[in-house]
Amino acid sequence: GQQLNQSPQSMFIQEGEDVSMNCTSSSIFNTWLWYKQDPGEGPVLLIALYKAGELTSNGRLTAQFGITRKDSFLNISASIPSDVGIYFCAGLTNAGNMLTFGGGTRLMVKP
Amino acid sequence: EPEVTQTPSHQVTQMGQEVILRCVPISNHLYFYWYRQILGQKVEFLVSFYNNEISEKSEIFDDQFSVERPDGSNFTLKIRSTKLEDSAMYFCASSELGYGYTFGSGTRLTVV
Repeated sequence: GQQLNQSPQSMFIQEGEDVSMNCTSSSIFNTWLWYKQDPGEGPVLLIALYKAGELTSNGRLTAQFGITRKDSFLNISASIPSDVGIYFCAGLTNAGNMLTFGGGTRLMVKP
Repeated sequence: EPEVTQTPSHQVTQMGQEVILRCVPISNHLYFYWYRQILGQKVEFLVSFYNNEISEKSEIFDDQFSVERPDGSNFTLKIRSTKLEDSAMYFCASSELGYGYTFGSGTRLTVV
């Protein structure tokens, strides 16, 4: 089946630092999604990318859909304590199909 | 902000018992999904449901699992005879057009 390799698995950073995480796949996806999950909660959609090469921002978050359609990155600028959580990338082949999730990046922010 | 609502938030059941997990998707959404997440692991796809039938299912979704949309608002996941390894967070999700999914807060299922 399709697999997404997400890195790094965890990051421990100082408040105010920028963060970057990425996902790669051997398969092509037509939509890339980035989610954040807080403990005991469901994933919350942060950014959706629908077009190869697309660069999209949502506040301090920026994500890009790789040209090859096999990768995506998420950047968080000027991290704050509430950014703590697990960030998942997810790929979608076609509308209505299953989402394939990456393994997650656990972000810890030191005040 | 419209939400996907899941009940119960936590269910404890004995091995071999049947459980039904309930979800109320967002009202104008057409695609419905169940995912699960074993503690500390990634989110895994179980099944998708569109136009009153299963459109896709994973290897995890074997004969012990079934889904139903009994009325215009609920979407349920039934596990017929639970096993210890079914212990996980189960997430319902819905989507209007099949792209941006909205997830519920999950049901933590503990099989003892």
